[in-house]
Amino acid sequence: SQQGEEDPQALSIQEGENATMNCSYKTSINNLQWYRQNSGRGLVHLILIRSNEREKHSGRLRVTLDTSKKSSSLLITASRAADTASYFCATTRRDSNYQLIWGAGTKLIIKP
Amino acid sequence: EAGVAQSPRYKIIEKRQSVAFWCNPISGHATLYWYQQILGQGPKLLIQFQNNGVVDDSQLPKDRFSAERLKGVDSTLKIQPAKLEDSAVYLCASRAPGRSYNEQFFGPGTRLTVL
Repeated sequence: SQQGEEDPQALSIQEGENATMNCSYKTSINNLQWYRQNSGRGLVHLILIRSNEREKHSGRLRVTLDTSKKSSSLLITASRAADTASYFCATTRRDSNYQLIWGAGTKLIIKP
Repeated sequence: EAGVAQSPRYKIIEKRQSVAFWCNPISGHATLYWYQQILGQGPKLLIQFQNNGVVDDSQLPKDRFSAERLKGVDSTLKIQPAKLEDSAVYLCASRAPGRSYNEQFFGPGTRLTVL
């Protein structure tokens, strides 16, 4: 079953602008991960944030986690055309055999 | 290190035909997953293996889908007979053992079209 819900479903911005995507989930989690999927390709892991962390950075990516609101956001700064892709959040529950529960994704388009 | 390999990349079949997909995970990765991803949706777990044993196949439609990982390395997923609604991308992923978190590494997927 799908636990995460991303919004917006689609986002189109100009190159150089920042892109923010949000993810909400339903149950208590062990960690939350963000993945990127380019058209016709497999998913690539971007960043993981544990349930006891509130913010994490990796290059142009910033992830926040608010466990009280059961939500996370992914910020991509200074967007590039190559960032055009679908972005998915995935959560792991403590009792889940390390399974990932996925949202439906946000489709990001960066206009040159 | 080499990534997760999948073949074929694309497959077009008629409904009621059979099809098989192959996956070779990253060397040393004990856990292997098969996902189904329908266009516009997130991946849906079909089956999870730990070495050559099944951990979870609760979402695998067992009347038509089967999967095996006989030697605990590569795996095959079979659909027999296929239905129109099986049109999707089938993704294989693997995870390293003994990690404190569970980053998964994905193959490029097999895009199946059932006509």
